[in-house]
Amino acid sequence: AQKITQTQPGMFVQEKEAVTLDCTYDTSDPSYGLFWYKQPSSGEMIFLIYQGSYDQQNATEGRYSLNFQKARKSANLVISASQLGDSAMYFCAMREGNSGNTPLVFGKGTRLSVIA
Amino acid sequence: GAGVSQSPRYKVAKRGQDVALRCDPISGHVSLFWYQQALGQGPEFLTYFQNEAQLDKSGLPSDRFFAERPEGSVSTLKIQRTQQEDSAVYLCASSLRSFGDTDTQYFGPGTRLTVL
Repeated sequence: AQKITQTQPGMFVQEKEAVTLDCTYDTSDPSYGLFWYKQPSSGEMIFLIYQGSYDQQNATEGRYSLNFQKARKSANLVISASQLGDSAMYFCAMREGNSGNTPLVFGKGTRLSVIA
Repeated sequence: GAGVSQSPRYKVAKRGQDVALRCDPISGHVSLFWYQQALGQGPEFLTYFQNEAQLDKSGLPSDRFFAERPEGSVSTLKIQRTQQEDSAVYLCASSLRSFGDTDTQYFGPGTRLTVL
């Protein structure tokens, strides 16, 4: 079974609007971390935001927020006030356990296109 | 400060050639990961180093793949007798520690390998 599922291959959003990118995950480990990365056409994976499984509040970083619904095993990324520079691939990833030496498992990504 | 750097950015190899891909992690980062990203997919884990020790190589697809980090900083991923299915982007990531559930992996720009 897929550990990370991103069901939206592509999304379009109007500039200055908000957009939600979906991510569901599958794990039986009570301790895990969820990450979102942005990959522009240049190829580099840019860290956006992190949510720990024990965090009580949803993570926020500037225009990025993570809608964490633990019972539903979902960790959707919300981008507010979209900008043209937000056009990129977005990947949801999970690290199981609470050790920093565990590799990330990635979803297949969502391509976001911001329209002027 | 300087981020993770990788070289070369692009590599074209004839089938059967050996290639070496280099990663310079962020200074002082203990953990180093290699991932392989096929076209249209999310990255997949290859191998992990904690300082100079290779603690996990479960993701290496065959014995043609070899990685080292002899002094605990720069790492090299070597692929022997390249095959067309090795064509992918190879991403390197580093993180500060080897423990801690919030430890974030920071990625380099990747090396795009094309095997003809």
